[in-house]
Amino acid sequence: ELKVEQNPLFLSMQEGKNYTIYCNYSTTSDRLYWYRQDPGKSLESLFVLLSNGAVKQEGRLMASLDTKARLSTLHITAAVHDLSATYFCAVVRANAGGTSYGKLTFGQGTILTVHP
Amino acid sequence: DSGVTQTPKHLITATGQRVTLRCSPRSGDLSVYWYQQSLDQGLQFLIQYYNGEERAKGNILERFSAQQFPDLHSELNLSSLELGDSALYFCASSVLPSYNEQFFGPGTRLTVL
Repeated sequence: ELKVEQNPLFLSMQEGKNYTIYCNYSTTSDRLYWYRQDPGKSLESLFVLLSNGAVKQEGRLMASLDTKARLSTLHITAAVHDLSATYFCAVVRANAGGTSYGKLTFGQGTILTVHP
Repeated sequence: DSGVTQTPKHLITATGQRVTLRCSPRSGDLSVYWYQQSLDQGLQFLIQYYNGEERAKGNILERFSAQQFPDLHSELNLSSLELGDSALYFCASSVLPSYNEQFFGPGTRLTVL
C-alpha cells in the first residue's frame, strides 16, 4: 500500500524566513503533485513534478523531486502572510506496466501559518 | 476557478437519509474522480470513472455508489447516512485516466445530524 508522509504537519513561520516541507512516499512513483488548500476551500494545483531531479519554482515556492530517495521538498523563501494555507503533496502510484489508474494518494497536509 | 463544478455547495441532512452529489468536469476532460476529506481520515480517494466506465475504486463504502453519465457529469450517491459521513466531498477531473493533472471542484460540504 502506498503511504505518503509529510513533515512537519504544523509550521509556524515568521515573515521573511525560509523553510522546507518534506514529502516522503513508500513505493515507486515518478509523478508527484503539490496542492494548496485555504480553509474551507478547494485544492489549488501548485506544481506537477514529472521526473527525477525535476525542480519547479513559482514566486516564493520551489518544489523538487528525488525519485530515488522517494522524497519531494517544497521550499518557502522569505515567507509572507499570503502563503498561510495547508499544503498537500500527492503521489500517483505506477503500475507494473508503467501506467497508473490516476488516483492520488495524499499526505496528511502541512498547516502553514506565517506571522509578522 | 478550475472549471470543475459541484452542486450543492452545502448539504445538511439526518442520519439514515440518502443524498446525491453532482459534478461536472472541465470541458474536454473524460475522467472524473471523487475524494472525501475529513478531519480523521484526511483526503481519501473514493472512485474514478473514465468516459462512463468505472476505472478504479478506493476506500468507498458499500453504502456509497457513483456513476458517470454520457454527458460526462458524475453523481455520487450516499445512502443510510451516518454521522461519520460528514465531510467535504471533492470531485476532480482530468483529460485522460492516468498520469494526468487533476483539477478539483469547490467541493460539497455534507453535514449529517
